[in-house]
Amino acid sequence: EAGVTQFPSHSVIEKGQTVTLRCDPISGHDNLYWYRRVMGKEIKFLLHFVKESKQDESGMPNNRFLAERTGGTYSTLKVQPAELEDSGVYFCASSQWVLLFNYGYTFGSGTRLTVV
Amino acid sequence: DQQVKQNSPSLSVQEGRISILNCDYTNSMFDYFLWYKKYPAEGPTFLISISSIKDKNEDGRFTVFLNKSAKHLSLHIVPSQPGDSAVYFCAARIWASGTYKYIFGTGTRLKVLA
Repeated sequence: EAGVTQFPSHSVIEKGQTVTLRCDPISGHDNLYWYRRVMGKEIKFLLHFVKESKQDESGMPNNRFLAERTGGTYSTLKVQPAELEDSGVYFCASSQWVLLFNYGYTFGSGTRLTVV
Repeated sequence: DQQVKQNSPSLSVQEGRISILNCDYTNSMFDYFLWYKKYPAEGPTFLISISSIKDKNEDGRFTVFLNKSAKHLSLHIVPSQPGDSAVYFCAARIWASGTYKYIFGTGTRLKVLA
């Protein structure tokens, strides 16, 4: 099966611009997660979708970040306007059941965002 | 208030020797702990997990030990191989806001020297 796909793999934008990241989860996975890793720090939870609904968005940094999951399939994460501290690697992950087997998630390879 | 801590940012080990990666946590409500391995330009991949009711889990060359009283877990890799060179993340699972989620550490970069 195809894995979790994220694009773009890299994005360099200027402060104040808008960027949209996309994630295609593994087909059939109802649970989709966004995480972020700022350079050298922990991989930090942003939010969790179950199908098209936001189950938990407690990790979203502020209202400059907007996540959507159209029809319960792919998801987008928009940052508008981008700030320097938004730079980092944004990971998407998906799972079929809510961590039923404790194998964790399947992660995508991430989008490296650089705000200059 | 980092709940999962990996205090060693890097570790170098000779091929064939044992690698020991450490992780400390603060929240006693964590019920599962996992280790993920990450190569450059790739996403983290699941390696091994342990329930909070166990103290050891083994899978081939990888063993995870859990010391609940000390709130400490460790990953042992024996023998270490050059292909094990990667960043290793410790993660702990918790039920919060109506769902499970993982709290990750900052990672330890392991370099296995040939």
